[in-house]
Amino acid sequence: GQQLNQSPQSMFIQEGEDVSMNCTSSSIFNTWLWYKQDPGEGPVLLIALYKAGELTSNGRLTAQFGITRKDSFLNISASIPSDVGIYFCAGATSGTYKYIFGTGTRLKVLA
Amino acid sequence: GAGVSQSPSNKVTEKGKDVELRCDPISGHTALYWYRQSLGQGLEFLIYFQGNSAPDKSGLPSDRFSAERTGGSVSTLTIQRTQQEDSAVYLCASSLRTGLIKNIQYFGAGTRLSVL
Repeated sequence: GQQLNQSPQSMFIQEGEDVSMNCTSSSIFNTWLWYKQDPGEGPVLLIALYKAGELTSNGRLTAQFGITRKDSFLNISASIPSDVGIYFCAGATSGTYKYIFGTGTRLKVLA
Repeated sequence: GAGVSQSPSNKVTEKGKDVELRCDPISGHTALYWYRQSLGQGLEFLIYFQGNSAPDKSGLPSDRFSAERTGGSVSTLTIQRTQQEDSAVYLCASSLRTGLIKNIQYFGAGTRLSVL
């Protein structure tokens, strides 16, 4: 099925470092969501974005809805070991049921 | 319930057997979605329900896969004559209803299916 391009695919970082990841699409979206999935668990919603250019924070996490509406970015500041997991972006057009999910960014934090 | 509940959490079966996976959505959520996540992959949409109807079954991989939802609540995903390539984590999500601008999907922990 259709998927978004998410990069990087995986990254190892040192505790305390900042992390950036992004998602790009060939289609315009009206909603972007960012989820985190821990091993053996389902994805948990981190941040939801509804407007082009919107910048939203949730603790150490900040996400932005790209101006072109074809991309979104997630930044994690001062990473800690529990940030480890898989981060997924998901995009949808207004009022539709179907979210298209990215392929995921696997984050590993070295203490 | 407080969250989306899926059962069983793990299922090991032999090739050729049928399996049933259950999803109990968040109370009051009328929309329900099934996804498949293969090892190291993203989420593959399978089917969604609005109430008891399934307007979009386009993601079901083959006619061995079927799903139903009764009473606008619990859903069952059935895989007949399982094959080894069916091994994956099957995730269920629910949302208040489709058509909303803020249609957030909440996920269960998934059922890990292993076909031997």
